[in-house]
Amino acid sequence: EAQVTQNPRYLITVTGKKLTVTCSQNMNHEYMSWYRQDPGLGLRQIYYSMNVEVTDKGDVPEGYKVSRKEKRNFPLILESPSPNQTSLYFCASSLSGTYNEQFFGPGTRLTVL
Amino acid sequence: ILNVEQSPQSLHVQEGDSTNFTCSFPSSNFYALHWYRWETAKSPEALFVMTLNGDEKKKGRISATLNTKEGYSYLYIKGSQPEDSATYLCAFIDSGGYQKVTFGIGTKLQVIP
Repeated sequence: EAQVTQNPRYLITVTGKKLTVTCSQNMNHEYMSWYRQDPGLGLRQIYYSMNVEVTDKGDVPEGYKVSRKEKRNFPLILESPSPNQTSLYFCASSLSGTYNEQFFGPGTRLTVL
Repeated sequence: ILNVEQSPQSLHVQEGDSTNFTCSFPSSNFYALHWYRWETAKSPEALFVMTLNGDEKKKGRISATLNTKEGYSYLYIKGSQPEDSATYLCAFIDSGGYQKVTFGIGTKLQVIP
């Protein structure tokens, strides 16, 4: 089944404790992206990647890192999480950029205490 | 950060009514516009990808039009059904943004049986 998977789905952590949210797709998509969703602010793009080893900042990259060492994986790293990073996070992928529809993962609900 | 606006923010209609909502975006540097449907507790799902001025797309009872010169897109739902209840998101990609995606906040539609 073609899909985008994220892990974990739910995470409660404390300020400053490094964490990684994994994202993987099995559709051989080139474009992958991370979004956060906050009430009243909608989906905001954190980082995106056009292909392996090619990443770029979205609108809200501060406090996050990403890497794209393999085509299928695009992990999101929070090196020192803070409470303002409490949010619902979505990973998405598309075949070859934004002329194609994005397929979204199930979301990761992160709470930073 | 680009300004992508959706109106109205929420909408209640009776089953069988037809409805439409608007996505407004910067009229310069257009690259692509996406529409997504987002049901509660699920992930956004793509409806349409629109890339050319004058584009019209249709999927069942849902259709969309695009005017890049004036910077807007309309989404129409004909004969609304309760299962159409969801938040409808538009996402704008500008040609100078290297495939960066900016979402609107969405229009929340509730169809009353």
